[in-house]
Amino acid sequence: GQQVMQIPQYQHVQEGEDFTTYCNSSTTLSNIQWYKQRPGGHPVFLIQLVKSGEVKKQKRLTFQFGEAKKNSSLHITATQTTDVGTYFCAGKYSGAGSYQLTFGKGTKLSVIP
Amino acid sequence: DARVTQTPRHKVTEMGQEVTMRCQPILGHNTVFWYRQTMMQGLELLAYFRNRAPLDDSGMPKDRFSAEMPDATLATLKIQPSEPRDSAVYFCASGLYPRAQETQYFGPGTRLLVL
Repeated sequence: GQQVMQIPQYQHVQEGEDFTTYCNSSTTLSNIQWYKQRPGGHPVFLIQLVKSGEVKKQKRLTFQFGEAKKNSSLHITATQTTDVGTYFCAGKYSGAGSYQLTFGKGTKLSVIP
Repeated sequence: DARVTQTPRHKVTEMGQEVTMRCQPILGHNTVFWYRQTMMQGLELLAYFRNRAPLDDSGMPKDRFSAEMPDATLATLKIQPSEPRDSAVYFCASGLYPRAQETQYFGPGTRLLVL
């Protein structure tokens, strides 16, 4: 079946350092979404990318969608303790169940104060 | 502030018992998803409904799991009989489709422990 691979699985950073997580699909995605899950919480939608090569920013977070629409990244500049949590990418495939998302395994971010 | 609600939030049960989890999607949303989250497998889609009709339940073990939407405000996920390997967090999510931004809104989850 279709899979979205996400790396790294874990990342420990010192507060103020940058952080990046990457997602890769073997087949073209219709769109990709990013979610954040705080410890003990539930996934919360961050953003959706649709266009090839799209780049979107939310304050210190930068999201990119690859030219081939097979990969994506989330970059956080100057991490803060509030950034702690697990970041998931979720890809939608054309022709799949119309509204179905395939989630990556997530990258768990720890920020050391 | 519209939210997806789920009950119970926590459930501890013994192997072989029936477990029923309930979800109330955001009012007006026409699509409901059930996910299971474990450390090993991550977030797995079990089933989803659009306008109360099941669209895909291929991720669900058919012999013991069943999902229904008796009405637009209630989705249920049932496990009978439950097994220790079913221990996980079960999330319900809802969304409104089709639309440009295909956000899924997750509920707080049901944390299930089967002994």
